[in-house]
Amino acid sequence: GAGVSQSPRYKVAKRGQDVALRCDPISGHVSLFWYQQALGQGPEFLTYFQNEAQLDKSGLPSDRFFAERPEGSVSTLKIQRTQQEDSAVYLCASSLNQGVQPQHFGDGTRLSIL
Amino acid sequence: GENVEQHPSTLSVQEGDSAVIKCTYSDSASNYFPWYKQELGKGPQLIIDIRSNVGEKKDQRIAVTLNKTAKHFSLHITETQPEDSAVYFCAASRLGRLYFGRGTQLTVWP
Repeated sequence: GAGVSQSPRYKVAKRGQDVALRCDPISGHVSLFWYQQALGQGPEFLTYFQNEAQLDKSGLPSDRFFAERPEGSVSTLKIQRTQQEDSAVYLCASSLNQGVQPQHFGDGTRLSIL
Repeated sequence: GENVEQHPSTLSVQEGDSAVIKCTYSDSASNYFPWYKQELGKGPQLIIDIRSNVGEKKDQRIAVTLNKTAKHFSLHITETQPEDSAVYFCAASRLGRLYFGRGTQLTVWP
């Protein structure tokens, strides 16, 4: 596609439920990033993939957060046993290669935990 | 890790005036500095970027300057238009990961 696509755009879940957020990067982009953006804040790094390899997951806030990119294209961010503090916009970005390359963002998934 | 500070948090200008947003960073190993524009309900859109081996870059009405010694970089928008109104984020990067500032809400009054 022309840009990074994320789905769903909005997700409402009850506390304790599991959620899965999907990211379709720009075709051919090797690197994929997940960020979390709280209201009124800048995005904060969660995790990074190069192809199917997860090279950095140091930003994941707890072991309830899990990300995968099994075939080096589509990625899924999963949050287990959601809590209210997980409410945020989850942004996905992709870049052509590793190293110093522009990152292009999707429009995000707005997650609300009730 | 890297710490990026961004000022001001809000900026109001009259259409046609210039707007300047400033950022500082802490990690001297950071080597890539992008600027993003984010409109309500949208993801951040890359508007300009600069690498650490360059001091200044310009693209039409937008320019970015980088002072590696002082560890600060700035975004300059000239001839502002109402459609420039949005939240602007600076970021610093080392090894691909982006560290963002807290954003500047720019409002351009017609």
